[in-house]
Amino acid sequence: QVQLVDSGGGLVKPGGSLRLSCVVSGFTFSDYYMSWIRQAPGKGLEWLSYISTSSDYTNYADSVKGRFTISRDNDRNSLYLQMNNLRVEDTAIYYCARVAVGDDAFDLWGQGTMVTVSS
Amino acid sequence: DIQMTQSPSSVSASVGDRVTITCRASQVISTWLAWYQQKPGKAPKLLIYAASSLESGVPSRFSGGGSGTDFSLTISSLQPEDVATYYCQQANSFPYTFGQGTKLEIK
Repeated sequence: QVQLVDSGGGLVKPGGSLRLSCVVSGFTFSDYYMSWIRQAPGKGLEWLSYISTSSDYTNYADSVKGRFTISRDNDRNSLYLQMNNLRVEDTAIYYCARVAVGDDAFDLWGQGTMVTVSS
Repeated sequence: DIQMTQSPSSVSASVGDRVTITCRASQVISTWLAWYQQKPGKAPKLLIYAASSLESGVPSRFSGGGSGTDFSLTISSLQPEDVATYYCQQANSFPYTFGQGTKLEIK
């Protein structure tokens, strides 16, 4: 079964850190670029980060550059998002997504994991 | 950054109606445009990629069009299960950006 399973969300204080994980199954993970996308409560979608198949290329939204780090472990079929120096405005559902080959649409999404940043 | 502007922000239509949502990019993006459907409490689902290509498994009543800066998503005959919020997204250049969403309801 082709799926992405997000985990690692929770409640954290401002300035704190959290590491999100996304475990994939049903396809060859190492063949696909991957991304993280978030959605604040009641708001729209915001693309955050992008990583190539071999991790030699990454890209970030300005809102998280320098605070968040995307990584992957192809042997473990896993994608990660290390989030440091969290802010209240980082409160959102975080989704991992597979990047379709050739057109960069997000063709497969995890179920999302909720991150709440609050004192 | 490329800004994506959708219209309308919300639309109410009857079952069987033809519904069109538009998306305008602030710069030319060729056909690097995707459309997503998001139902309440669920992750988004890809409907259309490369502006007009229908994702596998998506009903044929959904279609996409346009190129350059102006794009559209059309539902040819609205069904009750199409109630959702729809987003466009540009994949022409980083940072990838989404439209603000169009909420579709049944009259």
